[in-house]
Amino acid sequence: DAGVTQSPTHLIKTRGQQVTLRCSPKSGHDTVSWYQQALGQGPQFIFQYYEEEERQRGNFPDRFSGHQFPNYSSELNVNALLLGDSALYLCATRNGNTGELFFGEGSRLTVL
Amino acid sequence: QKEVEQNSGPLSVPEGAIASLNCTYSDRGSQSFFWYRQYSGKSPELIMFIYSNGDKEDGRFTAQLNKASQYVSLLIRDSQPSDSATYLCAVMEYGNKLVFGAGTILRVKS
Repeated sequence: DAGVTQSPTHLIKTRGQQVTLRCSPKSGHDTVSWYQQALGQGPQFIFQYYEEEERQRGNFPDRFSGHQFPNYSSELNVNALLLGDSALYLCATRNGNTGELFFGEGSRLTVL
Repeated sequence: QKEVEQNSGPLSVPEGAIASLNCTYSDRGSQSFFWYRQYSGKSPELIMFIYSNGDKEDGRFTAQLNKASQYVSLLIRDSQPSDSATYLCAVMEYGNKLVFGAGTILRVKS
């Protein structure tokens, strides 16, 4: 049973650039959430996708956008990158029966 | 803004001792609570979840929930050096969104 997979694992961008991060959910999971984890902090909720629609959004600017595909995989896009966007970006998918969230290994973004 | 508070630590315990990690939350209506372990440079790994008041045991781990006092704790018995990590407490809000604390660093010394 494949777990949650994310790509790329590491990437470096410069200020003002755009980035796309990808997530494939755990088998049987149809809800995908994205979290941002800055160094020394807990993960913070960005948004959640279900049935290809954004269902909930955290306190993040419109520079952060996403998409979910019919196969439940998802993308996170960040435009006009700022230094403060440097973080570990985590994708999580949910077990509909227990509510447990399973995290992928994350994509570590460094903005220079 | 709903909050989850944890002591940042580090909490240092000798090998074989009991480690006690605590968490308080602000939303009295919260129903589901999770403990994650995170090794440096890795993603969070679910240890336990608890929904009901009282204790829930799984191997060396025991989660304790007291909704009246709005706190959740995690006890780790017979602590091992491999337990050294950051422990994240999380509370589930409406719509299955998790609100995390900043985490407690645990160091188990051999």
